[in-house]
Amino acid sequence: AQSVSQHNHHVILSEAASLELGCNYSYGGTVNLFWYVQYPGQHLQLLLKYFSGDPLVKGIKGFEAEFIKSKFSFNLRKPSVQWSDTAEYFCAVNGGSQGNLIFGKGTKLSVKP
Amino acid sequence: EAQVTQNPRYLITVTGKKLTVTCSQNMNHEYMSWYRQDPGLGLRQIYYSMNVEVTDKGDVPEGYKVSRKEKRNFPLILESPSPNQTSLYFCASSPRFLRGKNNEQFFGPGTRLTVL
Repeated sequence: AQSVSQHNHHVILSEAASLELGCNYSYGGTVNLFWYVQYPGQHLQLLLKYFSGDPLVKGIKGFEAEFIKSKFSFNLRKPSVQWSDTAEYFCAVNGGSQGNLIFGKGTKLSVKP
Repeated sequence: EAQVTQNPRYLITVTGKKLTVTCSQNMNHEYMSWYRQDPGLGLRQIYYSMNVEVTDKGDVPEGYKVSRKEKRNFPLILESPSPNQTSLYFCASSPRFLRGKNNEQFFGPGTRLTVL
């Protein structure tokens, strides 16, 4: 069965620090990969997605992610975080015989002003 | 405006009292899904529907029912709620049930359910 691992449960950064959130998945075939963000009290919003092509994907609000097939990874990055990036971030994978999304357990990001 | 709506947004109920959480989308999406979100567990899929009258169990279906009589609606039914169903519930939809192309899911605002 597919699974998604997000390595960090809670990350605390100061404003302007660089961010990298890890995501690894378990499926060996063709996958579609997503990062969603959930701001406090809100629903999930898509940050970026990878289907094929350039493994470096750019999303909204200055986020990007790199798909490394050999490492089964899809890490999320941002060069300089802002206080408004405080949220929970979820990695999700779709692959195999199912069309369903499998979510990681999420990483809470707290950015100190 | 394209959106997924859920009602109610907040609900406090008691054990055993049947309840329904409605979900509706106005994007003509074929695929709809229910998730529950619990601290430290992320989102887990309860049920999904690939189209009208086609539903299937997700990872945590016990204690829930769904129906898909119309394309736009996908209600979640708790016949006899229990305290372990206290959670935050999200409905989502996507254009179609796909393995390959553009199956981005759009999420509703969430329903916070407390079962006493």
